[in-house]
Amino acid sequence: SQQGEEDPQALSIQEGENATMNCSYKTSINNLQWYRQNSGRGLVHLILIRSNEREKHSGRLRVTLDTSKKSSSLLITASRAADTASYFCATDGAAGNKLTFGGGTRVLVKP
Amino acid sequence: ETGVTQTPRHLVMGMTNKKSLKCEQHLGHNAMYWYKQSAKKPLELMFVYNFKEQTENNSVPSRFSPECPNSSHLFLHLHTLQPEDSALYLCASSQDLVYNEQFFGPGTRLTVL
Repeated sequence: SQQGEEDPQALSIQEGENATMNCSYKTSINNLQWYRQNSGRGLVHLILIRSNEREKHSGRLRVTLDTSKKSSSLLITASRAADTASYFCATDGAAGNKLTFGGGTRVLVKP
Repeated sequence: ETGVTQTPRHLVMGMTNKKSLKCEQHLGHNAMYWYKQSAKKPLELMFVYNFKEQTENNSVPSRFSPECPNSSHLFLHLHTLQPEDSALYLCASSQDLVYNEQFFGPGTRLTVL
C-alpha cells in the first residue's frame, strides 16, 4: 500500500479563501515533501520538512508535520486561480533512498 | 523551467514498435528517476539511478529498459508495449539520494495503440 495518502481527494474553493489538505503516512520518515502538478505537466517541488521539524513556511504556504500521528498538512493562504493544480505529498522511508508519492489532492480555485 | 528536459513530449506508438524516451538534466545532479503516472493512480516509481548505477528497479516489466550513460542523461527504451502502458512518463533528478528534493521534467505523454 502507498506510503502517503492525501485527504481530501478534491477541493473546490473561492479565490481568496484558504485551502488545507492533509497527508498521512505509515512508516518512519527522514523528510516529507509537497509537490504541485498542473494538468499534464511535471511536478514542481514546493517545500520539504524534515522529521525533526514541526512547521515550515514558504510564501503563502504553511506545512506542519506531526510524526506522532504520522501526518502532515499543507495550507495555502489567500488562494489564487493560479493555485489550481494537484498537490502531492511524498515521503522517504527510514532508508531514505526513494520517495513514495500519495494519490494527490486536486484543488480548484474559482475566480 | 526546472532544468530537466524530456523528449519527445508526445509519442504514439504501435505495440510492435521500438522507441526511446530521453531525459537530460542541467543541474549537476547525481540521481535520476523514471516515474509512470497513469490516470487515477498514484505516481509510480520505476527506476532510480545514482552516480550512473541503477539502485532501484520497482518490478518493472522488461519491455521497459533504462539506460544511464552519464549523470546528466537518462533514457527509457520501449519495445513491444501494451495499451495499458499508455501514461505520462516523468523523469526527475535530485542532488543525490540523501538530498532528495526532486526536480521534474515536463513528461512524455505516451499512447500505445
